[in-house]
Amino acid sequence: DVKVTQSSRYLVKRTGEKVFLECVQDMDHENMFWYRQDPGLGLRLIYFSYDVKMKEKGDIPEGYSVSREKKERFSLILESASTNQTSMYLCASSFGAQLSDTQYFGPGTRLTVL
Amino acid sequence: SQQGEEDPQALSIQEGENATMNCSYKTSINNLQWYRQNSGRGLVHLILIRSNEREKHSGRLRVTLDTSKKSSSLLITASRAADTASYFCATVLNTDKLIFGTGTRLQVFP
Repeated sequence: DVKVTQSSRYLVKRTGEKVFLECVQDMDHENMFWYRQDPGLGLRLIYFSYDVKMKEKGDIPEGYSVSREKKERFSLILESASTNQTSMYLCASSFGAQLSDTQYFGPGTRLTVL
Repeated sequence: SQQGEEDPQALSIQEGENATMNCSYKTSINNLQWYRQNSGRGLVHLILIRSNEREKHSGRLRVTLDTSKKSSSLLITASRAADTASYFCATVLNTDKLIFGTGTRLQVFP
């Protein structure tokens, strides 16, 4: 079974702090994704990566950056956290050349920015 | 606005009843996927239906796709309390990334 893990289930940070959210997958998937999920808005894509050191902006990249130094690990960085970044963050991975293939999700990190 | 919109937003039924959720989308698609999310957890892939398919089954799940109406439905037969979750459709434009709808919250009462 594919396993996608995220470093924290719950995280509380203060405004202005630098925040790292880590995601690791164990199935040698090429593609990895970061989403945020907010009530009434569904899942919105922040960034994705289709290979090591490659990254592409999603629909809402402002205020975020990502890092993919190893194939299995994809990190989401909030350079200076703000209260409007309080959300559920979901990492996903997929195998294959097409970004549209089935995605496997981690359990999510609920981030609160005070 | 979202490419995929689920309907209804919320659904409450008794165990043993069938649950039907619908998804409408705006533009032509390559495939459509359904995912489930238990409260406070990540999403789990349920089923993928390609644009040239009309119906697909997986256990108690039945998915239909009507490309002329740009809509899909997910039927869960003989529902169980464990089916309580949110259900999302995700559509794919060409070979681009998935776009998720806002979901249907299903509550199954014992």
